[in-house]
Amino acid sequence: EVQLVESGGGLVQPGGSLRLSCAASGFTFSSYEMNWVRQAPGKGLEWVSYISSSGSTIYYADSVKGRFTISRDNAKNSLYLQMNSLRAEDTAVYYCVREMVYWTFDPWGQGTLVTVSS
Amino acid sequence: DIQMTQSPSSLSASVGDRVTITCQASQDISNYLNWYQQKPGKAPKLLIYDASNLETGVPSRFSGSGSGTDFTFTISSLQPEDIATYYCQQYDNLPPYLLRFTFGGGTKVEIK
Repeated sequence: EVQLVESGGGLVQPGGSLRLSCAASGFTFSSYEMNWVRQAPGKGLEWVSYISSSGSTIYYADSVKGRFTISRDNAKNSLYLQMNSLRAEDTAVYYCVREMVYWTFDPWGQGTLVTVSS
Repeated sequence: DIQMTQSPSSLSASVGDRVTITCQASQDISNYLNWYQQKPGKAPKLLIYDASNLETGVPSRFSGSGSGTDFTFTISSLQPEDIATYYCQQYDNLPPYLLRFTFGGGTKVEIK
């Protein structure tokens, strides 16, 4: 079964840092592009970042550029999101998603909640 | 920037009703339009890809159509288990962005 399990969320003060992890299983992780998508409480979905299968190509949404860093370890079947200089508006559930043909996201992990508050 | 305008933001319909949701792009996005279902407290699930293709295992009462700037998502006969929020999603690589994904604002579907 294809599975993505996020971890690392929690409560952090504004200006703080947090590192999210996503453990992948049930598929050849190193063959797939991966993304992070977030959802603020009661709000819609927002794409955050993309990383190619090798890790050589990376893109970010303007809202997180310069503060967030996406990375992956194909030997550990893991995806990461290092989040620095966190702001209240970064409060959201963060989903790890596999990118498939036609630029679809499937599947999605269960999400991990990040709360930025003093 | 390509903007995605999804409407309505919410709707209430009876079981068995035909439900239609639209998504309009500010520029031509060809068929690069996907639809997701998100049930309360759950992660989104892919339903339709490339505007009109049904994902494997998704009931045939769900369908999608459109190309260019105007897209439609339809539930032919609303079922109680279809209560969810539905999102459209597009991909573009127009300058200055080399890659970007954008979601519509979502449509919350409720039973009347």
